[in-house]
Amino acid sequence: DVVMTQSPLSLPVTLGQPASISCRSSRSLVYSDGNTYLNWFHQRPGQSPRRLIYKVSDRDSGVPDRFSGSGSGTDFTLKISRVEAEDVGVYYCMQGTHWPQTFGQGTKVEIK
Amino acid sequence: EVQLVESGGGLIQPGGSLRLSCAASGFTVSSNYMSWIRQAPGKGLEWVSVIYSGGGTYYADSVKGRFTISRDISKNTLYLQMNSLRAEDTAVYYCVRDGYKEWGQGTLVTVSS
Repeated sequence: DVVMTQSPLSLPVTLGQPASISCRSSRSLVYSDGNTYLNWFHQRPGQSPRRLIYKVSDRDSGVPDRFSGSGSGTDFTLKISRVEAEDVGVYYCMQGTHWPQTFGQGTKVEIK
Repeated sequence: EVQLVESGGGLIQPGGSLRLSCAASGFTVSSNYMSWIRQAPGKGLEWVSVIYSGGGTYYADSVKGRFTISRDISKNTLYLQMNSLRAEDTAVYYCVRDGYKEWGQGTLVTVSS
């Protein structure tokens, strides 16, 4: 199985400041069709995960533009340009290129 | 509007069986691939099973031979039959539409004596 490794696992942030989460895969996530199926999710306590980003950098509708995804091959990053209070929770990366689809361990974002 | 509503969770003894349901609306279950994802208390997300539009099914090694995914086209509902349940199967179970954009609210399964 493809191992997804996130860092850091805990991220204290200051409101209004940027934040960045790294996700590395044990194999390239480029699929045979040329796409890279790397998603990012946000989960608040007691809620279902919400997809923020798909195919590395495509933002879902309704997701604020302060969220951006980047990367290629095996290295990926989720950036929040200016953290807001509603951004707290756990962020997960997930690869959909190889079966079984696998998730990172999660990064807990909290306000300092 | 797409909606996924899970049901069927509860407290069950080790070795017991449970069937989860996921009622879908706003799209046709059989036209998409559908997955079950679970999350143990305080833990991360784990893919459990998938059923493709063509009917093919796949399972995580941890549940293979014990869980069965299926769907009822007439009811537009996804199922997960869980047999020989173990303590480590305790989790919130989510049904998810292909692409992982739409998730249900989850149903909690607790395996304990």
